[in-house]
Amino acid sequence: DAGVIQSPRHEVTEMGQEVTLRCKPISGHDYLFWYRQTMMRGLELLIYFNNNVPIDDSGMPEDRFSAKMPNASFSTLKIQPSEPRDSAVYFCASSSAGYNEQFFGPGTRLTVL
Amino acid sequence: KQEVTQIPAALSVPEGENLVLNCSFTDSAIYNLQWFRQDPGKGLTSLLLIQSSQREQTSGRLNASLDKSSGRSTLYIAASQPGDSATYLCAVVHGSRLTFGEGTQLTVNP
Repeated sequence: DAGVIQSPRHEVTEMGQEVTLRCKPISGHDYLFWYRQTMMRGLELLIYFNNNVPIDDSGMPEDRFSAKMPNASFSTLKIQPSEPRDSAVYFCASSSAGYNEQFFGPGTRLTVL
Repeated sequence: KQEVTQIPAALSVPEGENLVLNCSFTDSAIYNLQWFRQDPGKGLTSLLLIQSSQREQTSGRLNASLDKSSGRSTLYIAASQPGDSATYLCAVVHGSRLTFGEGTQLTVNP
């Protein structure tokens, strides 16, 4: 398997623009997680899905952030409108069960100017 | 709220040394604990997963232990190599949530 795939790897945008991050989990994994990593706050869970259904979105910072999982092989994290403080590395991870080993993608480095 | 602390924040050792990284957590009601490695500008690589019912797990030169009752885990690296230089993160699983520590930045000098 190719592992968790994320795109784009780097994104530079201007404040106010819409940003969409994409993730393809490992085939057969029923859980998908979105994390954000910053120097100030470390790694934080934003939201996770089980069988394409959002289970816990308590980590989503505000209404500007939204996530979807239309099918088992694809998820998006959207920020609209983007702000400079959203600059971070966003990771997607998947696992075969909620308490099993999580496998991370390479991340998307987002810079909002 | 679960809090995870890793000590030390940074560690520099000469090649060949054995070393221990520490992780502590405040809520012992965890399902498992996972150790990761992160290279600069890269994603996280899973190293070891210890189930809550286990006391230790080994993979090659790595050995992780878990003492759930005291809220502690250690990652032991034997015969360290320059290629081991990276940030090591521990994360505890409670429910389906992973809570991460801040990491230990390890440098192994040739």
